[in-house]
Amino acid sequence: LAKTTQPISMDSYEGQEVNITCSHNNIATNDYITWYQQFPSQGPRFIIQGYKTKVTNEVASLFIPADRKSSTLSLPRVSLSDTAVYYCLVGMYSSASKIIFGSGTRLSIRP
Amino acid sequence: DVKVTQSSRYLVKRTGEKVFLECVQDMDHENMFWYRQDPGLGLRLIYFSYDVKMKEKGDIPEGYSVSREKKERFSLILESASTNQTSMYLCASNGEKISYEQYFGPGTRLTVT
Repeated sequence: LAKTTQPISMDSYEGQEVNITCSHNNIATNDYITWYQQFPSQGPRFIIQGYKTKVTNEVASLFIPADRKSSTLSLPRVSLSDTAVYYCLVGMYSSASKIIFGSGTRLSIRP
Repeated sequence: DVKVTQSSRYLVKRTGEKVFLECVQDMDHENMFWYRQDPGLGLRLIYFSYDVKMKEKGDIPEGYSVSREKKERFSLILESASTNQTSMYLCASNGEKISYEQYFGPGTRLTVT
């Protein structure tokens, strides 16, 4: 099973770019990498998903090296409202046993 | 917008009670999920359903059962609640075969006393 490892917490300041790295050494060929954001008292919200190389949307970028053993979520120009817990998820729909959330990274943004 | 609703935001039950947590989604999604979330442990998958009347165990199914009689509704059942089942319970759904874009409900905070 492709378990993930993320930093427990990170701090940054408004306007900075934040990069959160997730390690997934045992990722399988058919696994996708997905990131979620969670605010207190809310369910997680999908941010971005990728399989290889780079994916970008209006919220974030996801960088995946060729060996796919890690991935980096990049949040450009963060604001206070980006303070949340970010989860890295590796797996594939076809089997529930492969659905594994990491323990999450608590990102704190300061003014 | 996809909407996933859960029957209660907060619930307090006594040890030994049978507890039903209900989840409804309005997007005709095939897949529905139940997770629990505890401090320091992240989200852990309890059960997963990929079709009506179909279910699959997740990481921590012990002490739980599920029911999916209709496509839009997925129920989590605690047959005999125990204090170690005090937790935040999150329901999610998605309609993609190869995707982890799940849509989560707001969660139910269950306290078992």
